[in-house]
Amino acid sequence: AQKVTQAQTEISVVEKEDVTLDCVYETRDTTYYLFWYKQPPSGELVFLIRRNSFDEQNEISGRYSWNFQKSTSSFNFTITASQVVDSAVYFCALSEPAGGGADGLTFGKGTHLIIQP
Amino acid sequence: DAGVIQSPRHEVTEMGQEVTLRCKPISGHDYLFWYRQTMMRGLELLIYFNNNVPIDDSGMPEDRFSAKMPNASFSTLKIQPSEPRDSAVYFCASTWTGITDTQYFGPGTRLTVL
Repeated sequence: AQKVTQAQTEISVVEKEDVTLDCVYETRDTTYYLFWYKQPPSGELVFLIRRNSFDEQNEISGRYSWNFQKSTSSFNFTITASQVVDSAVYFCALSEPAGGGADGLTFGKGTHLIIQP
Repeated sequence: DAGVIQSPRHEVTEMGQEVTLRCKPISGHDYLFWYRQTMMRGLELLIYFNNNVPIDDSGMPEDRFSAKMPNASFSTLKIQPSEPRDSAVYFCASTWTGITDTQYFGPGTRLTVL
């Protein structure tokens, strides 16, 4: 069965520091998708990124970057020069779509990121 | 474009009462998912539909929970009778296979059962 582990329950850093959120996943499928979602204090779930299992290329979007390594089953998320607005709970998630369709997401427990001014 | 719409945003009810949560997916999306978020269990999938047909309801906790999708624009999650342990935030999400599994979430319904 699939599983997502976010070992860091809470991280607190001072503004402008870089911070990395860890995500380790387990799956028996060769085709799968990995996601990161952000949940700010207001409570909504905001999609950040999707990565499929055949694309190990790292991605950068502004201050955000993602490192996908199949060899270690990890999909880590780094925020460079953190800002107070980055304070939120961040979730890593996994799906195993079969037959070209969609599938439900398996979420990690989330990492609560606190950026102190 | 409008995102996923959920109603009500907050619901407070007493134990034993029937509760109905509603969701309108993004137009054109053919998958709809219901999730529940609690402190103890985190985010967990309850059920999902494809083209209005339930595909996987293995996450539905008990027979007290039921979900329907009468058409492509509307789904309900019903709890009857409700219990205090059902208190949680219930999220609805939708996606389209053309964009392969990126699920977009509604704002959630915060349910409190007294």
